Amino acid sequence: QQQVKQSPQSLIVQKGGISIINCAYENTAFDYFPWYQQFPGKGPALLIAIRPDVSEKKEGRFTISFNKSAKQFSLHIMDSQPGDSATYFCAATYNNNDMRFGAGTRLTVKP
Amino acid sequence: NAGVTQTPKFRILKIGQSMTLQCTQDMNHNYMYWYRQDPGMGLKLIYYSVGAGITDKGEVPNGYNVSRSTTEDFPLRLELAAPSQTSVYFCASSYRVTTGELFFGEGSRLTVL
Repeated sequence: QQQVKQSPQSLIVQKGGISIINCAYENTAFDYFPWYQQFPGKGPALLIAIRPDVSEKKEGRFTISFNKSAKQFSLHIMDSQPGDSATYFCAATYNNNDMRFGAGTRLTVKP
Repeated sequence: NAGVTQTPKFRILKIGQSMTLQCTQDMNHNYMYWYRQDPGMGLKLIYYSVGAGITDKGEVPNGYNVSRSTTEDFPLRLELAAPSQTSVYFCASSYRVTTGELFFGEGSRLTVL
């Protein structure tokens, strides 16, 4: 049972464009929603995270939008750069012992 | 500044063989985790530990065992390797068990033939 559904599976964006990755969750007990970035041959690394008491969080070019009523959240990458090419995972949890990850989105930013 | 270190990075096993994936962290984190990553499936939790001597099952524990004799080390053992265990394995640690950043190792790619 996929508790966190992520789309799209892959995404190609031109340099300078906006990359948008969407996730939906089922468990209303989740209260922490991180995004992890993974480069080939490396482990995932935390990119940005949000809690459901806010609707948006921005860190540099990366923004999480959160819609609690729809049980959806998304990652926006503004001014996408070739160095952003990686796989992105959304996740949801109420404790680190039960973190549920999405299936991942492979982002390619073309120069 | 090593963080989480996993060995080996690559391994090929024959069906029925056993092996141990090693994981060491130098951040003095009490909480450690083993995940497996399969294409199109994200990461799934195999086992976790909240401190030395304490371990518990995650979402997909069958076919694996763990131990935690020290804060630093959290090895994952495969007793009778099966093709379904072909995957990339990631060890992670965190400084708190509620929510917070997971620090991942670089992974161990295991192929069972």
